[in-house]
Amino acid sequence: SQTIHQWPATLVQPVGSPLSLECTVEGTSNPNLYWYRQAAGRGLQLLFYSVGIGQISSEVPQNLSASRPQDRQFILSSKKLLLSDSGFYLCAWSSGVAQDSPLHFGNGTRLTVT
Amino acid sequence: GNSVTQMEGPVTLSEEAFLTINCTYTATGYPSLFWYVQYPGEGLQLLLKATKADDKGSNKGFEATYRKETTSFHLEKGSVQVSDSAVYFCALKTNNQGGKLIFGQGTELSVKP
Repeated sequence: SQTIHQWPATLVQPVGSPLSLECTVEGTSNPNLYWYRQAAGRGLQLLFYSVGIGQISSEVPQNLSASRPQDRQFILSSKKLLLSDSGFYLCAWSSGVAQDSPLHFGNGTRLTVT
Repeated sequence: GNSVTQMEGPVTLSEEAFLTINCTYTATGYPSLFWYVQYPGEGLQLLLKATKADDKGSNKGFEATYRKETTSFHLEKGSVQVSDSAVYFCALKTNNQGGKLIFGQGTELSVKP
């Protein structure tokens, strides 16, 4: 069966420090991968998605970047964190772009920028 | 553009009460529709889905019917439990958006014993 792992689960970082969040998927090949952010309140904002290695689409211009160095690895990064980067970051995968294939989410990373 | 609108929360119910969480959507074409649930401190879990008009998705006592004529996908459960307390998200996905899932704003449900 397929599983998705995100780490770390919790992170506290000072303003101006770098960030690297990692997400890996097991049990499937060539998944679509996604990064979402959930800020205070509950809304989910799509940040990046990837349909293959090295292919990244950005949804919102901001302080963050994403990379996909391997088929089942998706990394969210920042060179200098802002207070507004605080939030709950969720990685997800799906088996393709077909509209009936759902997204499957990891357990998330709670990031607090101080 | 495509969008999803959910009823405002929080919704507070007593155990064994009937639940309805309203969801309506705007989309070009015929999207697939999903309900996700998020328990405190956790990621989102797929609850149910429907991929075409009049389909009914169901899981764990929850159900929702894809109503094309009213562009709705309301979530229902006949008898809620305290363990159903969570945030519920309605979402849609279309063929022409690169596999992206578009979410509603979420509805918090609190069930009291």
